Amino acid sequence: NAGVTQTPKFQVLKTGQSMTLQCAQDMNHNSMYWYRQDPGMGLRLIYYSASEGTTDKGEVPNGYNVSRLNKREFSLRLESAAPSQTSVYFCASTLSRSEGELFFGEGSRLTVL
Amino acid sequence: GENVEQHPSTLSVQEGDSAVIKCTYSDSASNYFPWYKQELGKGPQLIIDIRSNVGEKKDQRIAVTLNKTAKHFSLHITETQPEDSAVYFCAASKMNRDDKIIFGKGTRLHILP
Repeated sequence: NAGVTQTPKFQVLKTGQSMTLQCAQDMNHNSMYWYRQDPGMGLRLIYYSASEGTTDKGEVPNGYNVSRLNKREFSLRLESAAPSQTSVYFCASTLSRSEGELFFGEGSRLTVL
Repeated sequence: GENVEQHPSTLSVQEGDSAVIKCTYSDSASNYFPWYKQELGKGPQLIIDIRSNVGEKKDQRIAVTLNKTAKHFSLHITETQPEDSAVYFCAASKMNRDDKIIFGKGTRLHILP
């Protein structure tokens, strides 16, 4: 049982390049989330998806887009990467809004030069 | 929107002593308060949670207390051990009404030998 799988684990980009972070869960969860983690800033919510076909902005959505491809997969896209987007990105999922526990992936470390 | 404040940002305690981490939240409609532990290089994992209809919950050496009137909740770890060294995050959400889960900035706990 893999849980939440994120790819890639590490990525280095140049300013202005684009990339997509992939996330998949095999727990049949309805809700999925993308957070970024920066030193001293904790975990900040970028976007979330309550169910297949829906997405909503979180605390820090600017510069990102998301796609809930199907129930299993939720991708995060940086269209034109900026140094301020250097961070560790975590994908998470939970069964539904009535089930609290979030299950996190191992994280994706992104550096933008 | 919801704002979660967490203190202290760093905490060092002698092995065997107790550790207390405190969080406050701003939205009185929040009703679910989980605590996550993040070990180095890993994603956060749920260690304990509390819902707004109870004031205290205990699981072996860890306990959480909630004061709804003051809008604050705390994590208590007793008889600390080296493996308790990690980053701890509190969070708040409106379970069953909203899928957003907002985190505090984290506390790095060091257990000293």
